[in-house]
Amino acid sequence: AQSVTQLGSHVSVSEGALVLLRCNYSSSVPPYLFWYVQYPNQGLQLLLKYTSAATLVKGINGFEAEFKKSETSFHLTKPSAHMSDAAEYFCAVSRGSNYKLTFGKGTLLTVNP
Amino acid sequence: NAGVTQTPKFRVLKTGQSMTLLCAQDMNHEYMYWYRQDPGMGLRLIHYSVGEGTTAKGEVPDGYNVSRLKKQNFLLGLESAAPSQTSVYFCASSGGGRSEAFFGQGTRLTVV
Repeated sequence: AQSVTQLGSHVSVSEGALVLLRCNYSSSVPPYLFWYVQYPNQGLQLLLKYTSAATLVKGINGFEAEFKKSETSFHLTKPSAHMSDAAEYFCAVSRGSNYKLTFGKGTLLTVNP
Repeated sequence: NAGVTQTPKFRVLKTGQSMTLLCAQDMNHEYMYWYRQDPGMGLRLIHYSVGEGTTAKGEVPDGYNVSRLKKQNFLLGLESAAPSQTSVYFCASSGGGRSEAFFGQGTRLTVV
């Protein structure tokens, strides 16, 4: 069975600082991996996805993530945080014939002025 | 471009009442999903469908039923609502494989 672990339910950074949100997956074969963002009282929006084409994936709003098979990780980073980045971030994994999409528990990002 | 539309957006139910949540997508996607979101729990998969006329159980299916009679619609039913079903419900659809899922805006359900 596949699962996703997000380390840290809450991450707080200063505006302009590096953002690092951690995601590890467990899967017997390399899966498809996704990062989604959720702003308050809204649905989920795709930030970026890994589909085996390239290990470093660039997404919207300056975010990127690197797929590391040896570490079974797909951490999300942004060099310089902006106040508008404050939101909840979810890592998700999909594989198998039914493409069931499994989510981590989420990381709430707070950006301090 | 509507994408994924959920109705209703808010609902308050009394314990024991029934209701149906409707999800409609206009992207011709094969795969559709129902999730519930609770604080600290992330999104948990209730039921999903891999095509018209098919449904399958997810992580937390108890107390819910689903139907997918038409490709564009995925219905989630609560036969006898319980306070533990108070949650925000999200529907999503996907083309499968490496395609991302698209989400509706959610339904906030309170069972009193």
